[in-house]
Amino acid sequence: ELKVEQNPLFLSMQEGKNYTIYCNYSTTSDRLYWYRQDPGKSLESLFVLLSNGAVKQEGRLMASLDTKARLSTLHITAAVHDLSATYFCAVDIETSGSRLTFGEGTQLTVNP
Amino acid sequence: NAGVTQTPKFQVLKTGQSMTLQCAQDMNHEYMSWYRQDPGMGLRLIHYSVGAGITDQGEVPNGYNVSRSTTEDFPLRLLSAAPSQTSVYFCASSWGHASYEQYFGPGTRLTVT
Repeated sequence: ELKVEQNPLFLSMQEGKNYTIYCNYSTTSDRLYWYRQDPGKSLESLFVLLSNGAVKQEGRLMASLDTKARLSTLHITAAVHDLSATYFCAVDIETSGSRLTFGEGTQLTVNP
Repeated sequence: NAGVTQTPKFQVLKTGQSMTLQCAQDMNHEYMSWYRQDPGMGLRLIHYSVGAGITDQGEVPNGYNVSRSTTEDFPLRLLSAAPSQTSVYFCASSWGHASYEQYFGPGTRLTVT
């Protein structure tokens, strides 16, 4: 059974600081997804990582994938309040993207 | 394109009632899925479909039925609602090629009393 673990589950940080969210998974997979969810809203796709060593960046967020270590990271640079949200990683055990297993989510709060 | 649409947005049911959550997409995606999200948890896969006429069970399928008669629609049926099915339900679709990105609908918030 595939397990996806995120840590930390709760993260409170100050504006301007850097931090990293970790996502470990238990079964070989080449596809890893990062999503953002605001309270009461749906999931917004941030990154899709499709191969070992993949790195993607968008604004203050950068995601990477190490398939050998079964680890993905989401790095936050110089956090701002607008980044406050819950972040989920998910692993694809099919080739279609139709069968994702999600982590529990990391609730990020950025304080002024 | 409307993307992935879900109806209703909110629903309250009594224990034992049945209902259908609707999901439609206009992106000609082959792959569609249903997830549920409980408080403080990630999403869990209920059922998925890799094309019209083909469905399969996910992690938590008990108490739910699906069918896929067209590419566009993927309804989720609750046969006899239970309080344990109180949750937020998300439908998602993907093309299954290139980026493999999944597109999520806005969700249906279901309460079973």
